[in-house]
Amino acid sequence: EAQVTQNPRYLITVTGKKLTVTCSQNMNHEYMSWYRQDPGLGLRQIYYSMNVEVTDKGDVPEGYKVSRKEKRNFPLILESPSPNQTSLYFCASSLTEGQGNEKLFFGSGTQLSVL
Amino acid sequence: RKEVEQDPGPFNVPEGATVAFNCTYSNSASQSFFWYRQDCRKEPKLLMSVYSSGNEDGRFTAQLNRASQYISLLIRDSKLSDSATYLCVVLDNYGQNFVFGPGTRLSVLP
Repeated sequence: EAQVTQNPRYLITVTGKKLTVTCSQNMNHEYMSWYRQDPGLGLRQIYYSMNVEVTDKGDVPEGYKVSRKEKRNFPLILESPSPNQTSLYFCASSLTEGQGNEKLFFGSGTQLSVL
Repeated sequence: RKEVEQDPGPFNVPEGATVAFNCTYSNSASQSFFWYRQDCRKEPKLLMSVYSSGNEDGRFTAQLNRASQYISLLIRDSKLSDSATYLCVVLDNYGQNFVFGPGTRLSVLP
């Protein structure tokens, strides 16, 4: 089954304790992206990647890191989480071959709480 | 100016009403256009792609006006289950990145 898998679904942590949220897709998609969603603010892009070893900042990259060493995985790393990073996070992937072939597939989300 | 803008909403409509959502985008070189639907705290899901000629899927009709850089979504005979946030999404030039609008919340009331 084609899917984007995020883990964990829920995470409670404390300020300053490094954490990684994993994202994996089994569709051989070139494009992958991370978003955070906060009440009243819609989806905001953190980082995206057009292919292996190619990553770019989105709208709100501060405090986050990503890596794209393999096509299927795109982990989101918080080196020193802070309470303002408490949010609902989504990972997504897509083909980007050309018009009409693109469709974003989303993971189920990760609710992160930083105390 | 934001790259993708949408009606601020929320829209509260009775069952059976017709409702229209509007979206404008700033990058004239944008390639592809989509409407996504998101239920509260769930992942967004593709509702429909938007083609230059306009397209229809049951009660939903999407239109694209490239000259005005404007996209619309029309929902006819709205159902309670249509209550959600509707997101306008644009794939920028050269297919580099998907850009999301802020979304418009719809509540269909009995």
